[in-house]
Amino acid sequence: KAGVTQTPRYLIKTRGQQVTLSCSPISGHRSVSWYQQTPGQGLQFLFEYFSETQRNKGNFPGRFSGRQFSNSRSEMNVSTLELGDSALYLCASSRLGANTGELFFGEGSRLTVL
Amino acid sequence: QQQVKQSPQSLIVQKGGISIINCAYENTAFDYFPWYQQFPGKGPALLIAIRPDVSEKKEGRFTISFNKSAKQFSLHIMDSQPGDSATYFCAARLGGATNKLIFGTGTLLAVQP
Repeated sequence: KAGVTQTPRYLIKTRGQQVTLSCSPISGHRSVSWYQQTPGQGLQFLFEYFSETQRNKGNFPGRFSGRQFSNSRSEMNVSTLELGDSALYLCASSRLGANTGELFFGEGSRLTVL
Repeated sequence: QQQVKQSPQSLIVQKGGISIINCAYENTAFDYFPWYQQFPGKGPALLIAIRPDVSEKKEGRFTISFNKSAKQFSLHIMDSQPGDSATYFCAARLGGATNKLIFGTGTLLAVQP
């Protein structure tokens, strides 16, 4: 069974640009969450989607947005990039109706903002 | 109040020794406490988890001890091996219709051969 797939794995952007990251959850998983990981702040929750609906959002500015498609795939977008947005962005999926906190993470998309 | 405090920040253990990582929380609404293991270049992977109605859970060499009254829980790695060298995160889930986890700051474990 394939795991959570995130693309791209690495990307470099400059300040002011925008970026879109993609996540394909494990087959059958309908809940997708996004986290930002940095050395200073650790793992910070961005948002959570279930059945195309955002059901939870972390304390990030409006420049961070996301969506989920009918096939459960998800994307997140960061507009007007800042240096501080450099981080590893992790997507995680979990089973349908299973609000257990058991998340299956992808390997992440490492974003560098210059 | 939604923080999870984790210590130590780093830990060096000899092969065969016991690694102990501690976490503490304040919010009594947390209802699920997982531990994740992360190797360099990889995403975190669920290691073991516990619910607050259980005081201890053991899976192989990994044990979670949970003290509900003290709002503390810890991970014990028995017979630590060099392959256990990784970063470990404790986490907590706020009850309700969500899988949102609040993570601790992580512990970098190095097991020396």
